[in-house]
Amino acid sequence: NAGVTQTPKFQVLKTGQSMTLQCAQDMNHEYMSWYRQDPGMGLRLIHYSVGAGITDQGEVPNGYNVSRSTTEDFPLRLLSAAPSQTSVYFCASSINGARQPQHFGDGTRLSIL
Amino acid sequence: GENVEQHPSTLSVQEGDSAVIKCTYSDSASNYFPWYKQELGKRPQLIIDIRSNVGEKKDQRIAVTLNKTAKHFSLHITETQPEDSAVYFCAALGQGAQKLVFGQGTRLTINP
Repeated sequence: NAGVTQTPKFQVLKTGQSMTLQCAQDMNHEYMSWYRQDPGMGLRLIHYSVGAGITDQGEVPNGYNVSRSTTEDFPLRLLSAAPSQTSVYFCASSINGARQPQHFGDGTRLSIL
Repeated sequence: GENVEQHPSTLSVQEGDSAVIKCTYSDSASNYFPWYKQELGKRPQLIIDIRSNVGEKKDQRIAVTLNKTAKHFSLHITETQPEDSAVYFCAALGQGAQKLVFGQGTRLTINP
């Protein structure tokens, strides 16, 4: 049982580049979410999903897109990377609610130059 | 909106002693209060949570208490061990805004 799997673990981008952060869970959880964590701070919700085909914005959605074509996968896309998006990104799943994260992936450490 | 204050920001205790971390919240309608542990460079881990209809919850060496009247909740770790060293975050979910607001974190160090 792998839980929540994120790839890649590290990435360096140039300003203006785009990329997709992958997230997959094998627990059949309906709720999935993406958070970013900046140094010394808690988590901030970017986007979330309450089930396949349903997504919504969190508190800091600008510059990011998500999709949820299957229960298992919830990729996060950076449209045009900016230095302000340098952060650690965590994907999470839950059986209780999108704003009640239970299981987190290992994170993606993203640097935008 | 909801505001969560967490204290202390750092806490150092001797191995075997107890550690207590406190959080206060502002939204009286908040109904879900999780605690996360995050070791350096690792993922957050949900270690315990409590809902507004319960005053206390325990899981082995970890307990959380909730005082709705005073709007504060606390994490209690007994018989601390070196592996308890980490940053601990509290959070509160506002019923109205449905926003999970995090505290600033407490860096707990267990001294052998």
